[in-house]
Amino acid sequence: GENVEQHPSTLSVQEGDSAVIKCTYSDSASNYFPWYKQELGKGPQLIIDIRSNVGEKKDQRIAVTLNKTAKHFSLHITETQPEDSAVYFCAASQDFNKFYFGSGTKLNVKP
Amino acid sequence: KAGVTQTPRYLIKTRGQQVTLSCSPISGHRSVSWYQQTPGQGLQFLFEYFSETQRNKGNFPGRFSGRQFSNSRSEMNVSTLELGDSALYLCASSAQGANTEAFFGQGTRLTVV
Repeated sequence: GENVEQHPSTLSVQEGDSAVIKCTYSDSASNYFPWYKQELGKGPQLIIDIRSNVGEKKDQRIAVTLNKTAKHFSLHITETQPEDSAVYFCAASQDFNKFYFGSGTKLNVKP
Repeated sequence: KAGVTQTPRYLIKTRGQQVTLSCSPISGHRSVSWYQQTPGQGLQFLFEYFSETQRNKGNFPGRFSGRQFSNSRSEMNVSTLELGDSALYLCASSAQGANTEAFFGQGTRLTVV
């Protein structure tokens, strides 16, 4: 089956700096890659996603890039704010909303 | 538009008992997926239902089962509970079938004692 690896497991940045989280996947048949943000006591919240026919997608301060050849995708957050502090998960899927999740990155944005 | 609603939010059960968790998807969504989240194993896929049919299943024992009703609401059942079943159980709803945006509920925190 699919295997998704996520790095780093923890990331601490100063407010205003950028944060980058990287994921790799193993199955070339995966074609949908969402990113989720999970705050304490809450369910994961979809923040951005990308499909395999697109190389990059941006939404305000958040961007995702996908390299199909290398089988890796990354989340970029610019101008980080304290409210960005949370655990972020990447995921990969081939079909029917069966997501394989990375192990998560705990992002801490220091004011 | 209301989000995904999971009930109950918290449950404490004893080993050997069974439990039923409920998920009401976003109005109009027909796909419901279930995930187990634990500190050790992370987020793991349990199963997915679309129009009352199970289309996909993860690698969990047969003690874990689910179903979906005609109004798209879904339930999952765990029988003969074990201590290792303690976890946050999350459900996600999607509008369509393959790989559309999935929105999660807040989860049900199950503790088995």
